[in-house]
Amino acid sequence: EPEVTQTPSHQVTQMGQEVILRCVPISNHLYFYWYRQILGQKVEFLVSFYNNEISEKSEIFDDQFSVERPDGSNFTLKIRSTKLEDSAMYFCASSDFLQGHYEQYFGPGTRLTVT
Amino acid sequence: DAKTTQPPSMDCAEGRAANLPCNHSTISGNEYVYWYRQIHSQGPQYIIHGLKNNETNEMASLIITEDRKSSTLILPHATLRDTAVYYCSVISGYALNFGKGTSLLVTP
Repeated sequence: EPEVTQTPSHQVTQMGQEVILRCVPISNHLYFYWYRQILGQKVEFLVSFYNNEISEKSEIFDDQFSVERPDGSNFTLKIRSTKLEDSAMYFCASSDFLQGHYEQYFGPGTRLTVT
Repeated sequence: DAKTTQPPSMDCAEGRAANLPCNHSTISGNEYVYWYRQIHSQGPQYIIHGLKNNETNEMASLIITEDRKSSTLILPHATLRDTAVYYCSVISGYALNFGKGTSLLVTP
């Protein structure tokens, strides 16, 4: 069964450093998403991406964040200057658009620890 | 998107049906009801969705009331592996809104 993959599984970085989290969505999907989950809290939507542009973003997704689909298979989330509060699990998801709805498939997540 | 309300926790005996309710009284006509679950810290897993008709798939059944203000997710024969946090989300666009969900504990 096709699945979303994410690398790395765990990333440790120092405050102020840039990080890039990588995702390989399911191959025939056209819609891509990033969510995050701070430890012990709910899963929060960050951004959705379609046709090489952002289709929707949350208040969390400020100028420190950016997304890119650099080639036909990868989807990345970049945090330019990490802060302690960026420590969280980051989930990538992808979906197709069938009969008016989106069934999102999530990856296993990347745990980001900012020290 | 409409707000949802779910009980914080529920228990279910293994082999019995688990019925998880969700209130979404402000749902609008073009909004779908989605159910996902999260086991430990894994990525959320899609279970089922519906607009106004009841739905069934290999994992679960979804019962939506006629006025669409509430729904119930039914796991017909719960197993220990169904222990997870279950989220009900009502959306018309891209962003899934995961509230606090219902923590379901399936006991032997």
